[in-house]
Amino acid sequence: ETGVTQSPTHLIKTRGQQVTLRCSSQSGHNTVSWYQQALGQGPQFIFQYYREEENGRGNFPPRFSGLQFPNYSSELNVNALELDDSALYLCASSLVAGGNTGELFFGEGSRLTVL
Amino acid sequence: GESVGLHLPTLSVQEGDNSIINCAYSNSASDYFIWYKQESGKGPQFIIDIRSNMDKRQGQRVTVLLNKTVKHLSLQIAATQPGDSAVYFCAEGYNDMRFGAGTRLTVKP
Repeated sequence: ETGVTQSPTHLIKTRGQQVTLRCSSQSGHNTVSWYQQALGQGPQFIFQYYREEENGRGNFPPRFSGLQFPNYSSELNVNALELDDSALYLCASSLVAGGNTGELFFGEGSRLTVL
Repeated sequence: GESVGLHLPTLSVQEGDNSIINCAYSNSASDYFIWYKQESGKGPQFIIDIRSNMDKRQGQRVTVLLNKTVKHLSLQIAATQPGDSAVYFCAEGYNDMRFGAGTRLTVKP
């Protein structure tokens, strides 16, 4: 177990709806990264949050947004859902030291299906 | 384009044999590489990492080799066990880690 918990584990939405996914980081970790993993693909970096600020973003449109809270937990929000947003969304926590992210500890993911 | 890619999408080995999973990367400035294991229904799990100032690093039953000349990375698993069956990803980078597409390792009893 990594100590990273994600909710919900599975959810189904329809096109155009909005979704919020949640992540509790491992105790002592100050950084949360979100990844999208389509079926049969490797994870793709969405963004990272460090001390409640976005600290890097991948090639994802603005309708993907996030938050990090003072307790370092995090949310991923996706607006105007599209069919291609169907994927496993992974949260990973880490401890930033020396300017670089340490080892990533992944949760088990939230599987989103968009119909 | 993809900055890391795996050579084979699937690999099947006999229990007890050694496994070698390969990965190529395109960015010669890449400094940090990691191998992850992902079992069905779970998130990726860290196996071993290596920095660009090293050629080889060993862990428990695993070895990572880095060839910077040809931009190639490999993961060797000794005495492969059924519990090693999973999808293996190579990844590079720090804060915005880039993953390859993965190799599914199947271990036959």
